[in-house]
Amino acid sequence: RKEVEQDPGPFNVPEGATVAFNCTYSNSASQSFFWYRQDCRKEPKLLMSVYSSGNEDGRFTAQLNRASQYISLLIRDSKLSDSATYLCVVNSRSNDYKLSFGAGTTVTVRA
Amino acid sequence: DVKVTQSSRYLVKRTGEKVFLECVQDMDHENMFWYRQDPGLGLRLIYFSYDVKMKEKGDIPEGYSVSREKKERFSLILESASTNQTSMYLCASSSFAATNEKLFFGSGTQLSVL
Repeated sequence: RKEVEQDPGPFNVPEGATVAFNCTYSNSASQSFFWYRQDCRKEPKLLMSVYSSGNEDGRFTAQLNRASQYISLLIRDSKLSDSATYLCVVNSRSNDYKLSFGAGTTVTVRA
Repeated sequence: DVKVTQSSRYLVKRTGEKVFLECVQDMDHENMFWYRQDPGLGLRLIYFSYDVKMKEKGDIPEGYSVSREKKERFSLILESASTNQTSMYLCASSSFAATNEKLFFGSGTQLSVL
């Protein structure tokens, strides 16, 4: 079983729509959770960390559900510029240097 | 602005060649990483280093080695390139003190082994 699993999508949504997707992780000892964004043919960049209480950054909301071992990302009022692949990233307390990456969820926002 | 620089954007090599991928960061970061990214598989950790001359195996170290002689430079070596090492290689760095494990990535090297 993969450590981090994501629905690859693609999620095709019109501008202004809300899109949400989840990521499941297998290691119940995981302590840190992140969403990275990767544009086509570019390197990944940190979008936001995910905190136990959930957190919001503008139009982006991240939630953590430890009981069911998943994190989610919700994008409100989608913009064309939100089109990208979103990578779920998890690290285990057992080794702080190693992060496990999901394969990514592709979002395409159309005009 | 923080920067992680990878020496080549595209590289084409032949099977059996020794290949060097170079990565330099200008942020004085302690931690450096090499990942490969393949469609449907995500990023997989090859090797990482948390200090000069230190290295640790990641999840897929076979066929690779690394060198970290200076804090700012982390090299990935393919001892004898094979076609299954055709991939996008991404270098990253992070601060030892970072509590959120923010990684800064280079722009990647697309390696094709023929």
